[in-house]
Amino acid sequence: GAGVSQSPRYKVAKRGQDVALRCDPISGHVSLFWYQQALGQGPEFLTYFQNEAQLDKSGLPSDRFFAERPEGSVSTLKIQRTQQEDSAVYLCASSLVARGGEQFFGPGTRLTVL
Amino acid sequence: QKEVEQDPGPLSVPEGAIVSLNCTYSNSAFQYFMWYRQYSRKGPELLMYTYSSGNKEDGRFTAQVDKSSKYISLFIRDSQPSDSATYLCAMSGVRGSTLGRLYFGRGTQLTVWP
Repeated sequence: GAGVSQSPRYKVAKRGQDVALRCDPISGHVSLFWYQQALGQGPEFLTYFQNEAQLDKSGLPSDRFFAERPEGSVSTLKIQRTQQEDSAVYLCASSLVARGGEQFFGPGTRLTVL
Repeated sequence: QKEVEQDPGPLSVPEGAIVSLNCTYSNSAFQYFMWYRQYSRKGPELLMYTYSSGNKEDGRFTAQVDKSSKYISLFIRDSQPSDSATYLCAMSGVRGSTLGRLYFGRGTQLTVWP
């Protein structure tokens, strides 16, 4: 079956622009996670959804970052007024069960802010 | 100090060698331990998923967890050039801030040369 998909794969934004990153999880997966991966580093947690409920957003670095999953499947991560330090790969992962289980990752969106 | 420490390498070995990759951690709440493989410009791919202490084997891969020492390992037998990638350890717990979300090491870059 299809894995986790993300779009766009690459995004270049000028500083100050808003961007929206999309994640399509594996069908039927309850949990959805967003991570940020800087160059040469491991992924860092941003936020977690259980179905449509955002249960943990403690990893979002500022109030410019916003995520939603309105129907409990597709999720969008939005970054407002992008800054150069937002340049990173944004990874989405989904899991079959709530609050745990094996997490399967998408290919990521590489964001470059000029 | 990060909660999960991992030597970034790089590690370079000849084809057929046994590879040992390791991580240490500080939070005793971690109960689930994972190893991911990440090829360049790809998302992390789950290799091994273990719970609590002990060993788990899957083909050429063996994962070991020693909770008393807060130390986990991944062994790759008969390494192949196709194993060349970055290997990320990750862990999560069952309560509080460790519940569900993954905490990653920074990854070890492995090259297996023919």
